Amino acid sequence: GAVVSQHPSRVICKSGTSVKIECRSLDFQATTMFWYRQFPKKSLMLMATSNEGSKATYEQGVEKDKFLINHASLTLSTLTVTSAHPEDSSFYICSAMGQIYHMNTEAFFGQGTRLTVV
Amino acid sequence: KNQVEQSPQSLIILEGKNCTLQCNYTVSPFSNLRWYKQDTGRGPVSLTIMTFSENTKSNGRYTATLDADTKQSSLHITASQLSDSASYICVVSAGFQKLVFGTGTRLLVSP
Repeated sequence: GAVVSQHPSRVICKSGTSVKIECRSLDFQATTMFWYRQFPKKSLMLMATSNEGSKATYEQGVEKDKFLINHASLTLSTLTVTSAHPEDSSFYICSAMGQIYHMNTEAFFGQGTRLTVV
Repeated sequence: KNQVEQSPQSLIILEGKNCTLQCNYTVSPFSNLRWYKQDTGRGPVSLTIMTFSENTKSNGRYTATLDADTKQSSLHITASQLSDSASYICVVSAGFQKLVFGTGTRLLVSP
C-alpha cells in the first residue's frame, strides 16, 4: 500500500522556538495533503488543507501565521509551528491524498508527531 | 451539519471474542465511508473503504457493512486478538477532499 512518512515522530522544544514537521508521500504523488491535530482521547481535528504549489486553506480558528504550511512539491509538505508555546503540545498527523491507480480518493496517514513544548 | 457518531465510546472484550462497532452519519454529499485503526501514538491505518453501492467489505478478521438508506455502518471484528486493542475511527467523505471524522471507539482486548 501507499506510504506516507512523517518526521520526526517525537520532538521536544523550548518555548519560543520553532519546530518543523515533514510529511512525505513515498510512492505516489500527493496533490493534496492535510494536517491534523489530535488531543488525548479525541478524534483528529483538521487544521489545514494544502494543495501543491498553492497556499494552504486553514480551518476556522487555526492561526495561519503560527502554523506555517508549505507544499512545494508533490511529495513533500511541511508544517512549522512558530514561536511554540506549551499549549501547542499535541499530536500532529498529516495525510496525503493522490491518484494511486484506481484509489484516487484514498487518504493515507503519516505516523504522527508528538510535540512537547517545555 | 455534517456529523459522524460512533458507539460505543469504549469497549472491553476478552481475547477470542467477537465485537461490533457502530457508526451513524449525517453527511452530504456522501462519497465513501472508511474505517481506520489507530494505535496509541500512531497515525490511522485504513481498514476498509466503501462506496455508496457497497454493502459489505472484508479485510481479514475485519468486516464492514454499510446501509446507505439508514446511513449506518458497522465494523465487525472476529476472533479478537490482543493486537486489536486500538481506537477505531469511522470517516465519511463528503465530496472531494472533505473528510468528516467520528470520535472513535476505544477497544481494549484483554487476555
